[in-house]
Parts: sequence; structure tokens; C-alpha cells
Amino acid sequence: DAMVIQNPRYQVTQFGKPVTLSCSQTLNHNVMYWYQQKSSQAPKLLFHYYDKDFNNEADTPDNFQSRRPNTSFCFLDIRSPGLGDAAMYLCATSRDLPGQGYEQYFGPGTRLTVT
Amino acid sequence: SQQGEEDPQALSIQEGENATMNCSYKTSINNLQWYRQNSGRGLVHLILIRSNEREKHSGRLRVTLDTSKKSSSLLITASRAADTASYFCATDGMDSSYKLIFGSGTRLLVRP
Repeated sequence: DAMVIQNPRYQVTQFGKPVTLSCSQTLNHNVMYWYQQKSSQAPKLLFHYYDKDFNNEADTPDNFQSRRPNTSFCFLDIRSPGLGDAAMYLCATSRDLPGQGYEQYFGPGTRLTVT
Repeated sequence: SQQGEEDPQALSIQEGENATMNCSYKTSINNLQWYRQNSGRGLVHLILIRSNEREKHSGRLRVTLDTSKKSSSLLITASRAADTASYFCATDGMDSSYKLIFGSGTRLLVRP
């Protein structure tokens, strides 16, 4: 089945130790998103790729970066994780259908713990 | 700032009852979507309603949209224990319809 896959599902890292989360999709969607979701809160958009074009949200900390080497894969790099970065990180994709709305397909998420 | 605010924050009902969740937003939109999130999982798309639509149905789901009041409601009829989840509305913007801003969510508990 076509889907959005996130690895790992659970990640533990130490304070200040760089960590990379990965996302892959078999939907061939051209838009990919990274969200941060803290407990009992709404998902917060960090950035998205529209094809190869990277779009950073204005309030996304510099500590967060992303790479999209090809259509299928997208990575979230946290350069120096702090305790406040502990959260669920959600990857999502959507297809460019102008005028029809952009339903997003989400992966299962990676729960990041910072010790 | 957060686009959508949802009401109530939490809702507990008995299986078989109907559940109604409300969403308000601030700016003009192209579309409004509802998503479900089971605990510790990703979000699942439920339904999309366009700004020129007033009501939409999908199985046991009924969504209404009032653009004059900038509000939407999600009704789940004949609820089941498996409907227990958090429900989020999400709106796009007139200038970037592929970016969504999620509301604060309603946590629904359906008691068997």
C-alpha cells in the first residue's frame, strides 16, 4: 500500500547531540511537510518542500534543518537538541491539485526524547 | 498564530450518542479539513469542505461550514468506542492552499 513511513518511531538523544529523523513516501507526492507536535497540542508546521523548493516557517528555530535528496525522502536534522525539542515529529505529504484542496497524508510520527 | 480554535477541548459521551465538535478560524480560507488522531499516532484525513460548500457528509460524519461566521462543525453520529481520538480542524490560506494550520483539537472519549 502507498504510504508515508517514518523511522525510527522512537528516538532518544542526549542534550546537544545531533539527531536525524527520516521520512519516506511511496505516494509520489510533490509536497512534503515536517510538523512538531507537543503533548495535547496542535501540530505546528516547521517547514515544507514544494518539489525541491524549501520553505521555512518564520518561527522555526535555526536548530532545525531539513533535506530532501529526492521526491521520496525527506530528513529532519536537529543540530543541538534541547529539552524543549522533545515532541512528536510528524511527516506529511500532499499532491499539488490546485483548486481542489490539499489533503495531507501523515506518517505515524517519531517520538523524540531528549535526556 | 493559531488559525483554528476548537470547542470543546474535551468531550466524553456514551457509545451510540452523537458527538459534535466546533471549530472557529480567523482569516478567509479556500478549504477546511478535519483530521483524526489516535493516541500516539499520525493524523488521518476525514473530510474536506470547500469555502463554497455549506455541508458535506461522509458515512457517519457530517461537516458544516459557515464562512460568514468563520466556523465549522463536525458531527459524528452513532458513535463507537473506536471513535475515541483527538479531532483537529485545519484551514488553508487564500495565498497558500497547500499549507494547513491546525486548530487546538477536541479530545473525544466514547465510553462503551
